[in-house]
Amino acid sequence: DAGVTQSPTHLIKTRGQQVTLRCSPKSGHDTVSWYQQALGQGPQFIFQYYEEEERQRGNFPDRFSGHQFPNYSSELNVNALLLGDSALYLCASRDRGRNYPNSGRFRNEQYFGPGTRLTVT
Amino acid sequence: TQLLEQSPQFLSIQEGENLTVYCNSSSVFSSLQWYRQEPGEGPVLLVTVVTGGEVKKLKRLTFQFGDARKDSSLHITAAQPGDTGLYLCADLNLMDSSYKLIFGSGTRLLVRP
Repeated sequence: DAGVTQSPTHLIKTRGQQVTLRCSPKSGHDTVSWYQQALGQGPQFIFQYYEEEERQRGNFPDRFSGHQFPNYSSELNVNALLLGDSALYLCASRDRGRNYPNSGRFRNEQYFGPGTRLTVT
Repeated sequence: TQLLEQSPQFLSIQEGENLTVYCNSSSVFSSLQWYRQEPGEGPVLLVTVVTGGEVKKLKRLTFQFGDARKDSSLHITAAQPGDTGLYLCADLNLMDSSYKLIFGSGTRLLVRP
């Protein structure tokens, strides 16, 4: 059973260019979240997708956009790249069916991929 | 905006030593999670704690959640080189039926053989 996979593993882009990163969730998972992890920092939430729609968004500009496909895979697009966009981009997936809404507690078994290391020069 | 502060930022110890790392939040945790991230990998969930005062053990790792649910500690007994990595605490924030994780900046642990 493959875990979360991301491609490419490394990418070098020039300031002003556009980039697309890809994520395939773990088998059986339908929810995908994207995080940005700058060097020496913890991951920061970018946005979350399920049912092919963006459901929640973090504090990132509109240059960051995404998409989820019917097979639950997802893409992260970043336009007009800045030097500060250099980071490890992590994708995480989860099975929404593991919610326990009546318990008052949320059981989150979220799995992260290995990330895409983006360098903007 | 919730802020999670982790300390120390970096820790280098000898194999066999004990250590404790800390996580403090500017507001009450919803659900606290601890992750370990190794170089070239994504974070891996170690534990989830939700009840103030809760203590969980995972082999040589002991996780404590403060009574007020604003702080937590992770204690490792007899550290091994395999424990090397970035330890991240995170709060699981729910909004309607979606969620997000808010992470601290982590404690980088190096266990020397």
